[in-house]
Amino acid sequence: EVQLVQSGAEVKKPGESLMISCQGSGYSFANFRVAWVRQMPGKGLEWLGIIYAGDSYTTYSPSFQGQVTISVDKSTSTAYLQCSSLKASDSAMYYCARLQHEAFDMWGQGTMVTVSS
Amino acid sequence: DIVMTQTPLSSPVTLGQPASISCRSSQSLVHSDGNTYLSWLQQRPGQPPRLLIYKISNRFSGVPDRFSGSGAGTDFTLKINRVEAEDVGVYYCMQATQFPYTFGQGTNLEIK
Repeated sequence: EVQLVQSGAEVKKPGESLMISCQGSGYSFANFRVAWVRQMPGKGLEWLGIIYAGDSYTTYSPSFQGQVTISVDKSTSTAYLQCSSLKASDSAMYYCARLQHEAFDMWGQGTMVTVSS
Repeated sequence: DIVMTQTPLSSPVTLGQPASISCRSSQSLVHSDGNTYLSWLQQRPGQPPRLLIYKISNRFSGVPDRFSGSGAGTDFTLKINRVEAEDVGVYYCMQATQFPYTFGQGTNLEIK
């Protein structure tokens, strides 16, 4: 079964850092791109960036450039999203998604991030 | 950035009746390779999004044939032939023709 499995919910304090993971299985991970998408509570979808798992080439949304870092470990078929200096406004659901035919055909279950003092 | 504008933002529909959602982009979504990378996603309450349609009109694996997509250039439409209870949720269009990829605001489909 093709799937993306994300790490569990996180509770962080303002100023802390965060890394969430997304492990792919059931397909050739290195041959696809993986994106990260943010969904703030009750809001729509925002594209953060995308990485090609084969060579780690990454493109970020200008809105999130410098605020997030996307990486990948081919040996474990895992993509990562790092956020530093967290603020309360970073509280959101974060999804990873696989890109195929230039559409997101497979999604992780989501990782809820809560930033609160 | 390409702005994606969906209408309506909310759509109350009677079960068994058709529904239609429009998506307009601020510039043409025709890629230099000739393809148009416009897709439609469905997000049921409490679930991650799910791909319905890619490249304007291609139904993704497992998607019921009551869902169809059409359009060209800057104007696109998602149609649901006969709405079923399981279709309740928020629908998003998305463009992947140009970075940054962008989504429409979402259309909330609800049953009357």
